[in-house]
Amino acid sequence: DAGITQSPRHKVTETGTPVTLRCHQTENHRYMYWYRQDPGHGLRLIHYSYGVKDTDKGEVSDGYSVSRSKTEDFLLTLESATSSQTSVYFCAISDGGLATTGELFFGEGSRLTVL
Amino acid sequence: RKEVEQDPGPFNVPEGATVAFNCTYSNSASQSFFWYRQDCRKEPKLLMSVYSSGNEDGRFTAQLNRASQYISLLIRDSKLSDSATYLCVVIASGGSYIPTFGRGTSLIVHP
Repeated sequence: DAGITQSPRHKVTETGTPVTLRCHQTENHRYMYWYRQDPGHGLRLIHYSYGVKDTDKGEVSDGYSVSRSKTEDFLLTLESATSSQTSVYFCAISDGGLATTGELFFGEGSRLTVL
Repeated sequence: RKEVEQDPGPFNVPEGATVAFNCTYSNSASQSFFWYRQDCRKEPKLLMSVYSSGNEDGRFTAQLNRASQYISLLIRDSKLSDSATYLCVVIASGGSYIPTFGRGTSLIVHP
């Protein structure tokens, strides 16, 4: 299995509080992604990174920010959590097809509940 | 229109049945295609890549039809353990490497 871990795995927080989710990889892959998964919507891209300090918005980026100061770490921050951000968050990595077929490897997910 | 579309199902089939899923995509510049499997409350895991000439892995066969812009997954001799959600993933060429997921097709294999 690819070396990718997410933390925390579970978190319950209150509306208005800041939350940071961390994704850590040991594969040295260039691309890192944050998705959220909700019933009826499937996996939706929040933000992605194509290198250190290189990030861009995805389909559902409002209310989220990201940072990538090192190749191995990609942080997702909810500055002021809302109940609509209750979801399961998945981090994924890919080398973009450089040495593999370009598939994504996923972390185990972070389940966030905003009360 | 969503970029990648799948029939959500559920497909409810008996053990031993053959079942097929399709996934259509709208971006004709798409270059890479995958099928993922996701079990309940777990992360998606790669089932197989999809190649232009079609490819097979045991009971699973994937096909790509570029002219009609769809990919398919065929599962033969279904097992109870095949029960899961199957996600198709499409990646466009050029620019950044951004995978787009279908919403998934649910498969339930019953005894």
